[in-house]
Amino acid sequence: GAGVSQSPSNKVTEKGKDVELRCDPISGHTALYWYRQRLGQGLEFLIYFQGNSAPDKSGLPSDRFSAERTGESVSTLTIQRTQQEDSAVYLCASSRGGTGLNEQYFGPGTRLTVT
Amino acid sequence: DAKTTQPPSMDCAEGRAANLPCNHSTISGNEYVYWYRQIHSQGPQYIIHGLKNNETNEMASLIITEDRKSSTLILPHATLRDTAVYYCIVRVAGGGTSYGKLTFGQGTILTVHP
Repeated sequence: GAGVSQSPSNKVTEKGKDVELRCDPISGHTALYWYRQRLGQGLEFLIYFQGNSAPDKSGLPSDRFSAERTGESVSTLTIQRTQQEDSAVYLCASSRGGTGLNEQYFGPGTRLTVT
Repeated sequence: DAKTTQPPSMDCAEGRAANLPCNHSTISGNEYVYWYRQIHSQGPQYIIHGLKNNETNEMASLIITEDRKSSTLILPHATLRDTAVYYCIVRVAGGGTSYGKLTFGQGTILTVHP
């Protein structure tokens, strides 16, 4: 079946503009994660959705970052008033959820460049 | 989640076994050891995980020491396509949104050369 898909694959935006990044998880996966990877760095956790539970937002770096998920389907990550330090690859992953031990399947990422 | 320590880089000849070490000396009883890898310009890929027993799948083997303070990922016959950053992650078991995230360190850059 199809893997995790993300759109757009690349996004260039001007400082101060808002951006929306989209993630389509694998069908049937109840858990969805967003991570950020700055150039040459490891992945930073941003937010985690699991079914109808309250999301774990502990990784969001500021109140300019927010994310929503529609049921157990699509998720959007919104960055308001973008700054140059927001430039990174934003990765989405999904898993079957449950205990939190299931392997995560990652999408190809959205490369965000803030000019 | 417990912290892990990995060498920043390793080399391996094509066709030979690649043995990637990971130290997790503060691991607790309900924490699993996970390995992911990230090939250049791609999202991370799950490889294998274990609690205390050695594990093997079609990609790799995971050897966990008896005291669980360290582990080794073994790629038995490395190929050029195995060149990637390999991440060792310790992850607590449990339900709910407190337990899902992966905490990535810097990983080991494995370079497989001809």
